[in-house]
Amino acid sequence: SQQGEEDPQALSIQEGENATMNCSYKTSINNLQWYRQNSGRGLVHLILIRSNEREKHSGRLRVTLDTSKKSSSLLITASRAADTASYFCATDAPDSGGSNYKLTFGKGTLLTVNP
Amino acid sequence: DTEVTQTPKHLVMGMTNKKSLKCEQHMGHRAMYWYKQKAKKPPELMFVYSYEKLSINESVPSRFSPECPNSSLLNLHLHALQPEDSALYLCASSHWGLAGGVETQYFGPGTRLLVL
Repeated sequence: SQQGEEDPQALSIQEGENATMNCSYKTSINNLQWYRQNSGRGLVHLILIRSNEREKHSGRLRVTLDTSKKSSSLLITASRAADTASYFCATDAPDSGGSNYKLTFGKGTLLTVNP
Repeated sequence: DTEVTQTPKHLVMGMTNKKSLKCEQHMGHRAMYWYKQKAKKPPELMFVYSYEKLSINESVPSRFSPECPNSSLLNLHLHALQPEDSALYLCASSHWGLAGGVETQYFGPGTRLLVL
């Protein structure tokens, strides 16, 4: 089952604008991660935020986490054409046996930054 | 070295072939993962190895056979695949999460597989 769901599915903005992507999830988590994927390439880790954290920054990225609403947001400020990619949130949850944890990825947001 | 390498980059195989995908990391990570990703979809977990032992198998068909020969290497052996198995196969590694939770995963560039 899909643990994380991103919103919107696609976002198109102009260079210099800010981009906000949202992620909702269903079960309790230990941490939530955001990854980026350029077309047909491997995923690149952006930020990990733990369940006891509310906000985290990394360069032009700002991630918030609201565990009461089971939601997270990723803000990219002053976007650049090079930020064009798919962005996935990923949450950890126990496997069917309950003893091992795995990452489950949301469907992703395709961000296009127009020069 | 924060790189995960995967070979080959591209693979075309027939349904009767046997082939292997390889993954290597030298970050000292004791957890390694195989994911399958179809076009415009998120990665789907296939297998997890922790300390060279298979810890998660997401009900993957037996035509996919993982192997972890040592802490740096992860293989995926392929046999009698179907055309619907065509996808991008991603390998990842991470530190093993203590007290539950999954730590930051480092992904390789993937192997693009086409089954004819």
